[in-house]
Amino acid sequence: GAGVSQSPSNKVTEKGKDVELRCDPISGHTALYWYRQSLGQGLEFLIYFQGNSAPDKSGLPSDRFSAERTGGSVSTLTIQRTQQEDSAVYLCASSLGASGMDEQFFGPGTRLTVL
Amino acid sequence: GENVEQHPSTLSVQEGDSAVIKCTYSDSASNYFPWYKQELGKRPQLIIDIRSNVGEKKDQRIAVTLNKTAKHFSLHITETQPEDSAVYFCAPLMFSGGYNKLIFGAGTRLAVHP
Repeated sequence: GAGVSQSPSNKVTEKGKDVELRCDPISGHTALYWYRQSLGQGLEFLIYFQGNSAPDKSGLPSDRFSAERTGGSVSTLTIQRTQQEDSAVYLCASSLGASGMDEQFFGPGTRLTVL
Repeated sequence: GENVEQHPSTLSVQEGDSAVIKCTYSDSASNYFPWYKQELGKRPQLIIDIRSNVGEKKDQRIAVTLNKTAKHFSLHITETQPEDSAVYFCAPLMFSGGYNKLIFGAGTRLAVHP
């Protein structure tokens, strides 16, 4: 079946511009996660959506970052007034349930470059 | 707050040798311990996991061992092959920011030389 998809695969933008990154999770998965991965680094947690509960925004690095998940499915991560330090691969993952013990399936990522 | 440490950060072995990566975590209530593998340019994928009611789990050449008292778990790869070269992340389930979620370690880069 279809896995997690993300778009665009690559995004080059100028400093100060806003960007939107999209994630389509696996159908039926109630949990959705966003991570950021800088070159050669680990996975930095950004935000977590679980069903209709309030999202866990504890990982968002600044108020320039926001995310929403419409209808419990597609999610959009928005970065306003991009900075060069925002350059990274943004990974989305989804999992089946709320326990945290379900496998996280990752998308291919969006590589963001801020010039 | 939550703390996850992986050691070593890099590991280089000869093909056929064994590799061991250790993950230490801070939350004594953690009860789920997965390992994810990320090959170069690819997305992370779950390779093995263990729950706190068992001490060891094996799947062919890979195994995970858990020491809940000492709060660490380890990934063991035997008879390493070049395709095992990747970055490995431990990700214990921990209570953080008001939610139970996986907290990923910084990763261990494993290189298997033919």
